[in-house]
Amino acid sequence: ETGVTQTPRHLVMGMTNKKSLKCEQHLGHNAMYWYKQSAKKPLELMFVYNFKEQTENNSVPSRFSPECPNSSHLFLHLHTLQPEDSALYLCASSQGQAPYEQYFGPGTRLTVT
Amino acid sequence: AQKVTQAQTEISVVEKEDVTLDCVYETRDTTYYLFWYKQPPSGELVFLIRRNSFDEQNEISGRYSWNFQKSTSSFNFTITASQVVDSAVYFCALSEASMNYGGSQGNLIFGKGTKLSVKP
Repeated sequence: ETGVTQTPRHLVMGMTNKKSLKCEQHLGHNAMYWYKQSAKKPLELMFVYNFKEQTENNSVPSRFSPECPNSSHLFLHLHTLQPEDSALYLCASSQGQAPYEQYFGPGTRLTVT
Repeated sequence: AQKVTQAQTEISVVEKEDVTLDCVYETRDTTYYLFWYKQPPSGELVFLIRRNSFDEQNEISGRYSWNFQKSTSSFNFTITASQVVDSAVYFCALSEASMNYGGSQGNLIFGKGTKLSVKP
């Protein structure tokens, strides 16, 4: 299943670096999501975009900056991260923001050193 | 407040055994949706099923079956004749249809997941 792709799959960055995560969906969906998955914590919703408009920012620190140029692409720009930001970052898409099932990408495993 | 509880953190079974993964949810909304996802070691969550709150019929798909009981706020998942390929973390999730009860419409609230290990 390659409906939702994410790059890179693995990323190691220092606390002063700037990097971006990319997500692309090929399903014709209108809503896209960023989630953070840390060890021993439930999946945490970070951001939601519906028709390219941000509809949810779940109290995410400003060092995470999302960008959604169109309904197929979603970016997560990272800068001055902390070691506790190390996690698996998952992108998902759904037909709409109503409770449609979400389809997930394989994730980016981020390590902040 | 909305909440999903998966009390079983880890389960280990031997191949061909049946296994049930428990999910209990809390919501004040009368219209809501329940989901199960599978997360294999590769990382991506794979959608398995969505049920709405008005449909309490049990569902069967191959070796998978789901038992939805509103009376106990449970949406349990059973794998019959488990296989090694079933080894994964399984997540139950809840989505409310409205924003009337402090939740965010349409957003998924996940449980902490149950890690299933199926040994040959």
